[in-house]
Amino acid sequence: QAVVTQEPSLTVSPGGTVTLTCGSSTGGVTSTHCPYWFQQKPGQAPRTLIYETSNKHSWTPARFSGSLLGGKAVLTLSGAQPEDEADYYCLLCHGGTVMFGGGTKLTVL
Amino acid sequence: EVQLVESGGGLVQPGGSLRLSCAASGFSFSTYWMNWVRQAPGKGLEWVANMNHDGSAMSYVDSVKGRFTISRDNAKNSLSLQMSSLRAEDTAVYYCLTEKGYWGQGTLVTVSS
Repeated sequence: QAVVTQEPSLTVSPGGTVTLTCGSSTGGVTSTHCPYWFQQKPGQAPRTLIYETSNKHSWTPARFSGSLLGGKAVLTLSGAQPEDEADYYCLLCHGGTVMFGGGTKLTVL
Repeated sequence: EVQLVESGGGLVQPGGSLRLSCAASGFSFSTYWMNWVRQAPGKGLEWVANMNHDGSAMSYVDSVKGRFTISRDNAKNSLSLQMSSLRAEDTAVYYCLTEKGYWGQGTLVTVSS
């Protein structure tokens, strides 16, 4: 069964830029893997930032963007804010099934 | 406004059964794939099951195959998860998640004697 990989933790300075990646053990990630990105803060339900590679919801801050790069799905945060400190999860579709990555704990410091 | 409201969680003994429901509103439910996702205490997100828009296709994570059944009623804008032979490791907050990424607030299932 495929494994979805994410960086366990990352740190970014306020105002800085950070890139979170999402890879698959089965090979390169493409748009057919329907990459999603979710943000979760302690005690809260997850919320979707990006769906199907690069689409944003109305609540997604403009500083977040999604793309594909180097065979991985990528979430880029440009101009990090203190409120962006959270856990970030990616999701990939593999055929009819779905898998989450293990999550990235992002610290803004 | 999209709303997803899960219900049906609670405390159940190992080996017991529980039925979760997700009431949907504010979008065209019958055209969306739907998922159940769970999160054990202090752990990451785990996909559990999904179903296509008309209920003709469904998939499960290996750990729940044969024990959980996903279903939907498009006339009632409702998604369900029938859980049986529950184990301690099924203890988690269960969320419904739509195609395109709308989430409910979750319902807690605790499996314990």
